[in-house]
Amino acid sequence: KAGVTQTPRYLIKTRGQQVTLSCSPISGHRSVSWYQQTPGQGLQFLFEYFSETQRNKGNFPGRFSGRQFSNSRSEMNVSTLELGDSALYLCASSQGLASPTQYFGPGTRLTVL
Amino acid sequence: AQTVTQSQPEMSVQEAETVTLSCTYDTSESNYYLFWYKQPPSRQMILVIRQEAYKQQNATENRFSVNFQKAAKSFSLKISDSQLGDTAMYFCAFMNSGAGSYQLTFGKGTKLSVIP
Repeated sequence: KAGVTQTPRYLIKTRGQQVTLSCSPISGHRSVSWYQQTPGQGLQFLFEYFSETQRNKGNFPGRFSGRQFSNSRSEMNVSTLELGDSALYLCASSQGLASPTQYFGPGTRLTVL
Repeated sequence: AQTVTQSQPEMSVQEAETVTLSCTYDTSESNYYLFWYKQPPSRQMILVIRQEAYKQQNATENRFSVNFQKAAKSFSLKISDSQLGDTAMYFCAFMNSGAGSYQLTFGKGTKLSVIP
């Protein structure tokens, strides 16, 4: 099976812009989670989707949003970018109830100038 | 809320030797999973090993094994016969299996260097 894929791999934006990141889970996986990784804060949970429903959301401002499509692919959007949003954004997928183990994609490196 | 603590920011080990990475966690939950993930310089997060809290037997995966002490809330990772490819950041992570949502809580990580 193909692993989790994320596009784009690298992104450079300026403050105030918005950005959309995409994640395609492992085939058959219905749960997709997003994490932000920064040197200062480490790995922080953003949100989790299962069957197109957001089941949980981390402590991030409303500028961070996401969605999941019927084919389980997920997108996350960050509006009005700030310098502090520069990070590695990781997507992970799991089967869900059958097995909650999360498998990660390679990440999207976002740089905000 | 759960917390995960990795008390060793950096460690080094000689090739072919054994090293143990420490992890403690704090939770009031009784049903949960614990994981070790590896993140090499490529930044790809790779699952190393998983432990279900209800299982008393410690998980093993080839050269990787854990020492799970539920009462002490301790979950250490032992790497035997260390190889250069084991050089990476290692993250301990907790997941509450009864929450209805699959959220991982990570420790700050341990940077492991394998020296030839």
